Amino acid sequence: EPEVTQTPSHQVTQMGQEVILRCVPISNHLYFYWYRQILGQKVEFLVSFYNNEISEKSEIFDDQFSVERPDGSNFTLKIRSTKLEDSAMYFCASSQLAGRSEQFFGPGTRLTVL
Amino acid sequence: AQSVTQLDSQVPVFEEAPVELRCNYSSSVSVYLFWYVQYPNQGLQLLLKYLSGSTLVKGINGFEAEFNKSQTSFHLRKPSVHISDTAEYFCAVTDPFQGAQKLVFGQGTRLTINP
Repeated sequence: EPEVTQTPSHQVTQMGQEVILRCVPISNHLYFYWYRQILGQKVEFLVSFYNNEISEKSEIFDDQFSVERPDGSNFTLKIRSTKLEDSAMYFCASSQLAGRSEQFFGPGTRLTVL
Repeated sequence: AQSVTQLDSQVPVFEEAPVELRCNYSSSVSVYLFWYVQYPNQGLQLLLKYLSGSTLVKGINGFEAEFNKSQTSFHLRKPSVHISDTAEYFCAVTDPFQGAQKLVFGQGTRLTINP
């Protein structure tokens, strides 16, 4: 069964460093998403991506964040200069279509900023 | 703006007992509703969804949910739980008329099954 994969599973970084979180969505999916979950809090939407551009982004997704689909398979989230408050579980998701179509989630990357 | 409230952060039940996980949403427009489950160290998996039609929706693993528009609720139920149902459950809503349709999640309910 096709699945969304994410690497690494756990990333530890120093404050101020750049990190890139990687995701491989399901191959025939067209919509891509990043969500995050700070420990003990709800899962929050960060950004959606369709047709090689951002469809929507939340207030959390400021200039420190960027997304890219560098080739036909990967979907990345970059945080340019990490802050302590960026420590969270980051989930990638993809869907074939919008709305009625299920979003399939990856297992997540736990980011720890020291 | 849409929001979702899951009224119980933790629900302990005994094996083979029934369970209901409560979810209320707030939205000024029509919505699609979802329940996702997260097993330990795994991603979110869709249990069931309500898009339109029958208000009683059946999902995987014996779960079902009922959409109640007047009470703006979408409670999840299972008549008899198993140890393997121990997980975190998330209710989510999306606006069907919005472009890429982000999911707005509730805080999650941790279901613990005791033998």
